[in-house]
Amino acid sequence: GAVVSQHPSWVICKSGTSVKIECRSLDFQATTMFWYRQFPKQSLMLMATSNEGSKATYEQGVEKDKFLINHASLTLSTLTVTSAHPEDSSFYICSARVIGDQIYSNQPQHFGDGTRLSIL
Amino acid sequence: AQSVTQLGSHVSVSEGALVLLRCNYSSSVPPYLFWYVQYPNQGLQLLLKYTSAATLVKGINGFEAEFKKSETSFHLTKPSAHMSDAAEYFCAVSGGQGAQKLVFGQGTRLTINP
Repeated sequence: GAVVSQHPSWVICKSGTSVKIECRSLDFQATTMFWYRQFPKQSLMLMATSNEGSKATYEQGVEKDKFLINHASLTLSTLTVTSAHPEDSSFYICSARVIGDQIYSNQPQHFGDGTRLSIL
Repeated sequence: AQSVTQLGSHVSVSEGALVLLRCNYSSSVPPYLFWYVQYPNQGLQLLLKYTSAATLVKGINGFEAEFKKSETSFHLTKPSAHMSDAAEYFCAVSGGQGAQKLVFGQGTRLTINP
């Protein structure tokens, strides 16, 4: 149980285009989803916390107009990288908590398999 | 504020040898601690978690970790390494009522030598 699906797994696009990444909880509902960015051979950096039905909470230094997050349902959050440039190339990973677990910090986050974004 | 330090960005052991990956944490509240494993081009998979119950926690794939408050440590061990254990391992901490964020360590790349 607790499967998180991310799509696409790999995307290559030209500089200046916008790219949408989907994060779905397949067998559970998630009030809260998280978006991370991971550079090669580095740890995960939290970009934002996505809350169903409300605005996302962005970490310091993350451009909210650059990385648009929408969490319209209890099973889907999307991250759109707008006007992508080569420096946005990275591995993006989402995670989700089972609904009801969000107030319990001892419950684990469930991670998707990530999306590798390459901007030419 | 919370933080995690993983000692050793790269650990190499022989197949069948003991695996020891070190993690030290800092937390102003009682911590909850997690170990995750990441295989190439994949997301993270939960190995085990400490949530203030037993200090010795057993996880999947034969891994276990011991919470030592006096040493602020949560080291990950496995008695006998297998080739399939080669991956990146992350220690993470969260804590406090309503604290949703995970704070990750820098990661340790485990290499298994045949």
